[in-house]
Amino acid sequence: AQSVAQPEDQVNVAEGNPLTVKCTYSVSGNPYLFWYVQYPNRGLQFLLKYITGDNLVKGSYGFEAEFNKSQTSFHLKKPSALVSDSALYFCAVRADTGRRALTFGSGTRLQVQP
Amino acid sequence: DTEVTQTPKHLVMGMTNKKSLKCEQHMGHRAMYWYKQKAKKPPELMFVYSYEKLSINESVPSRFSPECPNSSLLNLHLHALQPEDSALYLCASSQVQGNSNQPQHFGDGTRLSIL
Repeated sequence: AQSVAQPEDQVNVAEGNPLTVKCTYSVSGNPYLFWYVQYPNRGLQFLLKYITGDNLVKGSYGFEAEFNKSQTSFHLKKPSALVSDSALYFCAVRADTGRRALTFGSGTRLQVQP
Repeated sequence: DTEVTQTPKHLVMGMTNKKSLKCEQHMGHRAMYWYKQKAKKPPELMFVYSYEKLSINESVPSRFSPECPNSSLLNLHLHALQPEDSALYLCASSQVQGNSNQPQHFGDGTRLSIL
């Protein structure tokens, strides 16, 4: 079985400050990890993915994520938050073997204050 | 602009109605997905099609009937729905399902309300 935990329902950060949205995962086999963002009344937009290789992954809109195998984490980061980054963020995992369906975390609402 | 197009954007129907949701993509993807999303919750997988064949049905009630007429189109036929079926229905596509490292691309969804 595979699972994803996003321990924070909401993260508040001031504009211009760095942000981190946390994600931990559990999967049998090697993980493929993804971050998606959802704006109101929109579908999910793909931000970035970790497959293999460098533990720091760079994605869209200045976001990056750090893969830590020993801590089974894949935290989303951005050096300087924008008000327009305010949205719902989902972490997702898929195993490289077995059923291979995507499992989403519960989501974290990011609120960036001006 | 999303590359996965879903119609209609909004749908209100009674419990005895029959309606269909439509999804279209022209990215050459051969895997297509239906998800159900309740407010402030993650998407829940309903169905997966791979090469136009149903490969995953997450024990979805038979009042939801998927159809994949060709590699670009995915339909979800609705009949005798219940109020608890009110939700945002998302379609997604990706390169071949077995290629697990490819992201899914989502449409903006159909917001369904059951009266």
